[in-house]
Amino acid sequence: AQTVTQSQPEMSVQEAETVTLSCTYDTSESDYYLFWYKQPPSRQMILVIRQEAYKQQNATENRFSVNFQKAAKSFSLKISDSQLGDAAMYFCAYRSLEYGNKLVFGAGTILRVKS
Amino acid sequence: KAGVTQTPRYLIKTRGQQVTLSCSPISGHRSVSWYQQTPGQGLQFLFEYFSETQRNKGNFPGRFSGRQFSNSRSEMNVSTLELGDSALYLCASSLASVSTDTQYFGPGTRLTVL
Repeated sequence: AQTVTQSQPEMSVQEAETVTLSCTYDTSESDYYLFWYKQPPSRQMILVIRQEAYKQQNATENRFSVNFQKAAKSFSLKISDSQLGDAAMYFCAYRSLEYGNKLVFGAGTILRVKS
Repeated sequence: KAGVTQTPRYLIKTRGQQVTLSCSPISGHRSVSWYQQTPGQGLQFLFEYFSETQRNKGNFPGRFSGRQFSNSRSEMNVSTLELGDSALYLCASSLASVSTDTQYFGPGTRLTVL
């Protein structure tokens, strides 16, 4: 079974600075998808970024980028120019190609943004 | 397009009762997945429905069940409620049940069991 580990329960960043959230996963599969979701206090889960395992190029979405290290099974999220609106719980998630839309989530990292 | 909607948003029940939660996916989406979110266990996959058929099921007891209707709306039912069933229940929809799809989440239903 696949597992996802987020070792940082909480992180803080100053507004306009850069922060990196860590995620590692365990799988025996060679092809899969990885995601970062954001859950603000409103509780609505929002997709931040996704990465296909077969792509070597790291995904980027505006201020959000990932560092995908397939051999190390590591998938970190970098947020540049942090904004107050980035404050939320961030979840790393894994999706197998074999189990449809089933997502396996990490425990989450609370990100606090200081003004 | 309207997003994923879940009803009700909040629910209070007592132990032993049963509850039904509803999820309406984004128009055109045929896959609906359900997740339970608790402080202790985090986010856990309950089940996924696609074209009225259950595609995947998580490790939950048989008290948790679901179904999907021909219009893709989905319901999940929890019978004989226990205190530990208190949680935020999230549903997510996508076009189909393929790994290339993006899932969009609803706002959740907060269930409190007293």
